[in-house]
Amino acid sequence: DGGITQSPKYLFRKEGQNVTLSCEQNLNHDAMYWYRQDPGQGLRLIYYSQIVNDFQKGDIAEGYSVSREKKESFPLTVTSAQKNPTAFYLCASNPRGDNEQFFGPGTRLTVL
Amino acid sequence: GENVEQHPSTLSVQEGDSAVIKCTYSDSASNYFPWYKQELGKRPQLIIDIRSNVGEKKDQRIAVTLNKTAKHFSLHITETQPEDSAVYFCAASLTGTASKLTFGTGTRLQVTL
Repeated sequence: DGGITQSPKYLFRKEGQNVTLSCEQNLNHDAMYWYRQDPGQGLRLIYYSQIVNDFQKGDIAEGYSVSREKKESFPLTVTSAQKNPTAFYLCASNPRGDNEQFFGPGTRLTVL
Repeated sequence: GENVEQHPSTLSVQEGDSAVIKCTYSDSASNYFPWYKQELGKRPQLIIDIRSNVGEKKDQRIAVTLNKTAKHFSLHITETQPEDSAVYFCAASLTGTASKLTFGTGTRLQVTL
């Protein structure tokens, strides 16, 4: 079953704790992205990666970190430095030379 | 960087009527403009896209128009149906190995019976 998956669907954490969101794809896509979605603000780019072992900051990277050790995986860590981490997080990917991004089902993070 | 503005934020139409959503962008270098539909609690899904070498593109009841001079593009949905109710996002990017999409803030479309 091909596609892009995110886990977990819902995540609750206490304030001050780091948390890592999973994103996996078996589509053999080169590029992967992390977006944050807040009500009324659309999707904002956090980080993106074009190839393994390389990634770049997006528009709102502060308080987040990523890694790209495998082509299939692009985990996002929300650190305690992120001032307002409660949001819906979406991962996406696309193949080299193709602009259409395919989205995962998202993880809703709530920090208590 | 790129900035995309989208209007209206909410739109209510009667079933069978047409709906139009408009977006403007700031970076004249942008050359790829997708539209995504997001149903409640679901992932965004691409419904149509247009590249800067084309002025209009249609797919059944959905069409997108692009005016590069004015830097705006629009989504047109004809003969709306209740299943068209969702949030629609426009986006803009420069094509490349990784297309960094800049999204508009979304339009919540409600199709009433």
